[in-house]
Amino acid sequence: AAGVIQSPRHLIKEKRETATLKCYPIPRHDTVYWYQQGPGQDPQFLISFYEKMQSDKGSIPDRFSAQQFSDYHSELNMSSLELGDSALYFCASSLRFTGANVLTFGAGSRLTVL
Amino acid sequence: GESVGLHLPTLSVQEGDNSIINCAYSNSASDYFIWYKQESGKGPQFIIDIRSNMDKRQGQRVTVLLNKTVKHLSLQIAATQPGDSAVYFCAENMFSGGYNKLIFGAGTRLAVHP
Repeated sequence: AAGVIQSPRHLIKEKRETATLKCYPIPRHDTVYWYQQGPGQDPQFLISFYEKMQSDKGSIPDRFSAQQFSDYHSELNMSSLELGDSALYFCASSLRFTGANVLTFGAGSRLTVL
Repeated sequence: GESVGLHLPTLSVQEGDNSIINCAYSNSASDYFIWYKQESGKGPQFIIDIRSNMDKRQGQRVTVLLNKTVKHLSLQIAATQPGDSAVYFCAENMFSGGYNKLIFGAGTRLAVHP
């Protein structure tokens, strides 16, 4: 079965640079979530989209933005990168109206800021 | 290598023993809870979920117990195997503004020794 696809898997950037992460949800899933996971930390909710509209916002820095496109894939844009942005970034997708919000996660994108 | 779990509490068990992983949640209004397993270099994988109107749910080799009085969730793994070694997270579903999102609790690293 198709899973959530994230790219790139690894990304190395310098401070103050910009990075873009991409997420392709499971086909027919209408909701996409972004989570950030620092070393030894639990995943922290950043932002979510339902049918291409932002549905909720968590602890996402103002330097970050995201959107969901007409084909339901999503991109997380990170600007003015800081050392503390080094983390694993997970995308997850789900169907909003299934009675149980079970998120399926991608393998993650590891961002290293030098 | 993957640094998830670097600073997390660790539960060490012998292969074949039963494991119990505990989690405290914060929101009394959460309508269901999910346990995720995260292996090195991978995204969280769904294990089992339980609705807030249930006390216990069993899966294959896993049982989740929910104690709403003390806001406590536990995951029991029977006959623990080396392949069970991973970081385990509980997550609570929060419904806000018409949308669901998962909030993760602190993880526990399970180390299975032969």
